[in-house]
Amino acid sequence: AQTVTQSQPEMSVQEAETVTLSCTYDTSESDYYLFWYKQPPSRQMILVIRQEAYKQQNATENRFSVNFQKAAKSFSLKISDSQLGDAAMYFCAYRSGTGAQKLVFGQGTRLTINP
Amino acid sequence: DGGITQSPKYLFRKEGQNVTLSCEQNLNHDAMYWYRQDPGQGLRLIYYSQIVNDFQKGDIAEGYSVSREKKESFPLTVTSAQKNPTAFYLCASSTSGGFNVEQFFGPGTRLTVL
Repeated sequence: AQTVTQSQPEMSVQEAETVTLSCTYDTSESDYYLFWYKQPPSRQMILVIRQEAYKQQNATENRFSVNFQKAAKSFSLKISDSQLGDAAMYFCAYRSGTGAQKLVFGQGTRLTINP
Repeated sequence: DGGITQSPKYLFRKEGQNVTLSCEQNLNHDAMYWYRQDPGQGLRLIYYSQIVNDFQKGDIAEGYSVSREKKESFPLTVTSAQKNPTAFYLCASSTSGGFNVEQFFGPGTRLTVL
């Protein structure tokens, strides 16, 4: 079974600075997808960014980018120019490339933005 | 507007009672999912359905039941057999197949057992 681990329960960053959230995963599959979801205080889950395992190029979405290290099974999220609205729980998630599209989530990292 | 609705937002249950959480989507998605979220933990999959009249157990299905009689609806029943049902429950849906298959989430239901 696949597992996802986020080793940082809490992180904080100064507004306008850069922060990196860590995620590691364990799988024996070669075809899979990885995601970062954001859950603000409203508790609505919002997709931030996604990565296909077979793509070497790291995904980027505006101020959000990932560092995907397939051999190390690492998938970190970098947030540049942090804004107050980035404060939230961030979850890393794994989905197999075959079969059902169910997600396996990490435990989450609570990100605080200091003004 | 297209989206996923969950009701009620807050639900209180006495021990020994069954309760049903509603999830409706108008996104024309084939697949639907139920997740449970506890403090300090990520989301865990309870049940999922990839097509009408079919569903599969997730990682923590014991004490829960579902039905999928309509494409738009995927209700979750929390039975009295669920030992610790107090949690936040999230419903999600997605299209089938491929990379760009984002799961869209509802706003959630907070269940408290009194």
